[in-house]
Amino acid sequence: QSVLTQPPSASGTPGQRVTISCSGSTSNIGSNTVNWYQQLPGTAPKLLIYSNSRRPPGVPDRFSGSKSGTSASLAISGLQSEDEADYYCAAWHDSLNGPVFGGGTKLTVL
Amino acid sequence: QVQLQESGPGLVKPSETLSLTCTVSGGSISDYYWSWIRQTPGKGLEWITYMYYNGGTNYNPSLKSRLTISVDMSKNQFSLKLSSVTPADTAVYHCAREMTDGYTNGEFDHWGQGTLVTVSS
Repeated sequence: QSVLTQPPSASGTPGQRVTISCSGSTSNIGSNTVNWYQQLPGTAPKLLIYSNSRRPPGVPDRFSGSKSGTSASLAISGLQSEDEADYYCAAWHDSLNGPVFGGGTKLTVL
Repeated sequence: QVQLQESGPGLVKPSETLSLTCTVSGGSISDYYWSWIRQTPGKGLEWITYMYYNGGTNYNPSLKSRLTISVDMSKNQFSLKLSSVTPADTAVYHCAREMTDGYTNGEFDHWGQGTLVTVSS
């Protein structure tokens, strides 16, 4: 139902590298930059990656983002238990003239 | 440190108007774009509207006919009114600020904690 498509779940063990995909269209990801948000339980979303691959101050370099065509990915290396959260991708949508979001991926650290 | 706090009734009856206010502290409401975003378990995150302090606005077309937003510079607040609500409008409503002054691109670096609004009789 969300404009951007993400897998509903992902998992990994501590120390592993996990990736989360985000698929869109030429009207959003294909023509605009992608942002990623992390939402810990009971908190507001936090900007994790912006402009496809840039990290705001304070975000560890274990988190990285990339974009190709109409898809994007978030990679988390050296997985830690505190990374267990929901992750959302987002991109500006041209005809909406506003942002659209993915449905979110629940990351479980086993 | 900029902080945002949503306030408003937690329960609204169907067909009535939902009214929320976002109070900004630690910074001025001017020079930045401010948005309302709602979150539901079923639909995830949904952008509702953005506004600029000088009155520039844009609305999600799916909600535009029911929306009114306003800004009170003297109180450093901006507000949202959503009319004719139904249970489908039940959600956690967040206010959020764009990261770059004078520019909107969906890069929200400051969020309110969110307020749950339930539409029910």
